[in-house]
Amino acid sequence: GDSVTQMEGPVTLSEEAFLTINCTYTATGYPSLFWYVQYPGEGLQLLLKATKADDKGSNKGFEATYRKETTSFHLEKGSVQVSDSAVYFCALSFSGGYNKLIFGAGTRLAVHP
Amino acid sequence: KAGVTQTPRYLIKTRGQQVTLSCSPISGHRSVSWYQQTPGQGLQFLFEYFSETQRNKGNFPGRFSGRQFSNSRSEMNVSTLELGDSALYLCASTPGTGPEAFFGQGTRLTVV
Repeated sequence: GDSVTQMEGPVTLSEEAFLTINCTYTATGYPSLFWYVQYPGEGLQLLLKATKADDKGSNKGFEATYRKETTSFHLEKGSVQVSDSAVYFCALSFSGGYNKLIFGAGTRLAVHP
Repeated sequence: KAGVTQTPRYLIKTRGQQVTLSCSPISGHRSVSWYQQTPGQGLQFLFEYFSETQRNKGNFPGRFSGRQFSNSRSEMNVSTLELGDSALYLCASTPGTGPEAFFGQGTRLTVV
């Protein structure tokens, strides 16, 4: 079945360090890909998305490129801040009217000053 | 524009009871989906409603049910609660013009 695999956390970084969180997917078709972020005690916020191969999603300094050849959608940020500390979820869904998201297990990021 | 609103935010119930959670989607959004989040199983899809019809259902027992009203507001119900139903229940609404979903803050259900 369709699935998403994320690197296990926690990821611990110092402020201004470079961030990469790996995400790969298995899907029978061509899904849309997403990164969501969850701050403590909150719901999920959409961080960025890509709907087709080679699309690059970006927001708030975060970027991810939809790589069909490697079935990947890795999240990157050039310089993290303490305020980026949260849990990050990679997810996929298919168009066609059925709004079902399949999530990875989530990666906790802790950024220290 | 108001976001997705879930009520209540916190709930404590006893085993065997039933519970109803409510979700008001973003104005104009016709699709509402529900997810269960637990430390062990992560985020799992429960079901999706569109125009008052359930279009998609996840792999949960029949104790979990839902409905959607004509104003797109949705409710989910869990009957005969078990300790394992303790979780954060998240509702998401989708505009229908794109695949992205917008989530509410969730309802934290604790079953004791």
